[in-house]
Amino acid sequence: EDKVVQSPLSLVVHEGDTVTLNCSYEVTNFRSLLWYKQEKKAPTFLFMLTSSGIEKKSGRLSSILDKKELFSILNITATQTGDSAVYLCAVPNPNYGGSQGNLIFGKGTKLSVKP
Amino acid sequence: DTGVSQDPRHKITKRGQNVTFRCDPISEHNRLYWYRQTLGQGPEFLTYFQNEAQLEKSRLLSDRFSAERPKGSFSTLEIQRTEQGDSAMYLCASSRTQNSYEQYFGPGTRLTVT
Repeated sequence: EDKVVQSPLSLVVHEGDTVTLNCSYEVTNFRSLLWYKQEKKAPTFLFMLTSSGIEKKSGRLSSILDKKELFSILNITATQTGDSAVYLCAVPNPNYGGSQGNLIFGKGTKLSVKP
Repeated sequence: DTGVSQDPRHKITKRGQNVTFRCDPISEHNRLYWYRQTLGQGPEFLTYFQNEAQLEKSRLLSDRFSAERPKGSFSTLEIQRTEQGDSAMYLCASSRTQNSYEQYFGPGTRLTVT
């Protein structure tokens, strides 16, 4: 069964800390891995990773993919209270006729950043 | 605002009633997706459209659920004979065909079935 597993499920840190969120996946015909940030409502797109070992970076957030070990990490440095959110990892589902777009999401990591 | 919009934002209904939700995607996006999310879970795929064509539907989706996108723009999701287990956040997302994994989500419709 294709699946995405995120860890930890929740994390509490203080402002200024650095955090690492983990996402492991088991999916046939892997194409890409995506990270989303979900605050109160809509998930917002952060990164898409397709190549192993190439870091994607946006400000204090960065992510890298390891296709051999089937996982990705999302790093957030110098955390701020505004980083508090659920961080979701997803991979495209290969099981629906091979067409694109149907995403399998993990349960998410709930990050709480305390002042 | 040129993002994805959904209406209503909240819906409370009694068990057995029918409900309909609307999603307006980003105008230049020709793919539209519906997901369902319950507390502590990631979004779960329901169905998606390429323009007006419904290309995929989750094998777990009950026959009580139906979705349309008649003109390839907005979409509606109808749930007939609602059950308490249908209570969830219903999320709509849209994307371009060539970047279909980069999906932009709406704020969701929270459905509560009493």
